[in-house]
Amino acid sequence: AQSVSQHNHHVILSEAASLELGCNYSYGGTVNLFWYVQYPGQHLQLLLKYFSGDPLVKGIKGFEAEFIKSKFSFNLRKPSVQWSDTAEYFCAVNRDDSSASKIIFGSGTRLSIRP
Amino acid sequence: EAGVTQFPSHSVIEKGQTVTLRCDPISGHDNLYWYRRVMGKEIKFLLHFVKESKQDESGMPNNRFLAERTGGTYSTLKVQPAELEDSGVYFCASSRRRDSAKNIQYFGAGTRLSVL
Repeated sequence: AQSVSQHNHHVILSEAASLELGCNYSYGGTVNLFWYVQYPGQHLQLLLKYFSGDPLVKGIKGFEAEFIKSKFSFNLRKPSVQWSDTAEYFCAVNRDDSSASKIIFGSGTRLSIRP
Repeated sequence: EAGVTQFPSHSVIEKGQTVTLRCDPISGHDNLYWYRRVMGKEIKFLLHFVKESKQDESGMPNNRFLAERTGGTYSTLKVQPAELEDSGVYFCASSRRRDSAKNIQYFGAGTRLSVL
């Protein structure tokens, strides 16, 4: 069965620090990869996605993620975080199969930024 | 374009009662999904509608949960009777393309269910 593992439950950083959130998945076939973010009091929204092509993908608000197929990883990065990045971040995958589009989520990483 | 809307935003009920959650997907989206997050754990898939048909209900926990999408528009998720372990946040999502996993799923704000 597919699963997604996020390495950190809670990350605390100061503003301007660099961020990297780890994500590994388990599935031997072709997958689509996502990072979702939930800001306090708001709905889940897509931060970025990888379907195919360039393994380095850029998303909104200066975030990027790199798909490393050999490591089954899709880590999220941002060179300089802001207080407004305080949120919960979810790594997610689904099988690249039209009959199985359900998303499998990791347990989430809560990011707290100190002003 | 209006997003995915869920109602109510928060429901507090007693064990044994019935609760019905509603989801209005984005207009024109064939796919509708229900997910649940319990006790700060991972968000877990419950089921997937394509229009009014259940495509995948492998995540439904037991027969106390009943989901419907009559007419292929809005969906309801009924829990009857509710148990303590049903507490959590129930998310609904929708996506447009019917035959592709390369869908972007748009999520609602969720319904927080508290069973006392």
